[in-house]
Amino acid sequence: DTGVSQNPRHKITKRGQNVTFRCDPISEHNRLYWYRQTLGQGPEFLTYFQNEAQLEKSRLLSDRFSAERPKGSFSTLEIQRTEQGDSAMYLCASSLIRNTEAFFGQGTRLTVV
Amino acid sequence: ELKVEQNPLFLSMQEGKNYTIYCNYSTTSDRLYWYRQDPGKSLESLFVLLSNGAVKQEGRLMASLDTKARLSTLHITAAVHDLSATYFCAVPILRTTGANSKLTFGKGITLSVRP
Repeated sequence: DTGVSQNPRHKITKRGQNVTFRCDPISEHNRLYWYRQTLGQGPEFLTYFQNEAQLEKSRLLSDRFSAERPKGSFSTLEIQRTEQGDSAMYLCASSLIRNTEAFFGQGTRLTVV
Repeated sequence: ELKVEQNPLFLSMQEGKNYTIYCNYSTTSDRLYWYRQDPGKSLESLFVLLSNGAVKQEGRLMASLDTKARLSTLHITAAVHDLSATYFCAVPILRTTGANSKLTFGKGITLSVRP
């Protein structure tokens, strides 16, 4: 499978716990994006990387959120001290630098109880 | 701040009839994307519209872009049940460097096709 891969697909966690999600982009895609989607809304941008550099972070990304892409390949998104408001689908997408078409993974659905 | 608006937010369609849905956006951009999302699933790329006047067709769907009016339309011909899904348009902020940027999405339009 050469698409964007995200793990896990579903995560249920208790409030206050930390969670980490992983995204493997399409190989050779330099850009990697994280989006969050809540019920009935479109995806909202969180952050993106060009290779290993994190180039932009949304104001939505509180200090409890951190993302990394250490070798310019896969990325992780960590949420510390989860809150119920963090419950959402977390989507990862990748693209080439000069091609704005982004390809999305299947998403990780987070439920904070 | 770039705003993307889609309307209507929900559309009940009768099988076999034609419909048009709309996406407009608030600041300059030279391209627009349409995605489809089935319930509980991720986003599937439908159309990439890269210039003013661009028109793309795939099966019963046809998308067009008017960058001067900041408007894209998605026309559905002879609706069938398989088209039931939520459709998002997304717009990148235009950058003079030509490099891509993050996408801003509309809220999506949920289409439901009834017999």
